[in-house]
Amino acid sequence: AQSVTQLDSQVPVFEEAPVELRCNYSSSVSVYLFWYVQYPNQGLQLLLKYLSGSTLVKGINGFEAEFNKSQTSFHLRKPSVHISDTAEYFCAVSPLGGGSQGNLIFGKGTKLSVKP
Amino acid sequence: DVKVTQSSRYLVKRTGEKVFLECVQDMDHENMFWYRQDPGLGLRLIYFSYDVKMKEKGDIPEGYSVSREKKERFSLILESASTNQTSMYLCATLPQGNEQFFGPGTRLTVL
Repeated sequence: AQSVTQLDSQVPVFEEAPVELRCNYSSSVSVYLFWYVQYPNQGLQLLLKYLSGSTLVKGINGFEAEFNKSQTSFHLRKPSVHISDTAEYFCAVSPLGGGSQGNLIFGKGTKLSVKP
Repeated sequence: DVKVTQSSRYLVKRTGEKVFLECVQDMDHENMFWYRQDPGLGLRLIYFSYDVKMKEKGDIPEGYSVSREKKERFSLILESASTNQTSMYLCATLPQGNEQFFGPGTRLTVL
């Protein structure tokens, strides 16, 4: 079975400051890794994903994440945030292979609040 | 662009009513999913479907059923709505790949 832990439920930051949203996962099989963003009253939108290859993944809106297999982490970073980045961010994993391929296991979310 | 639509953005129902939530996708994707989202709990999988007329239980299927008669449509059914089913419901599709595409969500309130 897989599980995802987002270590911070809320992260307040000032505009133009850097931010890191932390995500750790547990799995007995290899997984794909995802970050999704949810703006108020909207569905989820993919920010970035790690499938294989380079462990540093760049996504939309200036976000990037680094896969660390030894620490089973996939932290999301942005060097300078904007007010418009205020949203809830979800880390998710998907196990490879078998009947459950494609299923996503989500963390509980991190609410990023960017203040002027 | 992938388009996933859900029949209602906001819905208010009474306890004991039968509720249908509809999800339609326009990209011929085989896999479709229903999640519910609650504050502090993230998204939890209710049911998913790999093909027409096929369904699999997710993590929290109790109190729900689903129907997939056509490839593009995946319905979530609350046979007898209860107040603890007040939630945001999200539908998603998965093409041959790894990224799920989400609809805008239906916020259901059961009074």
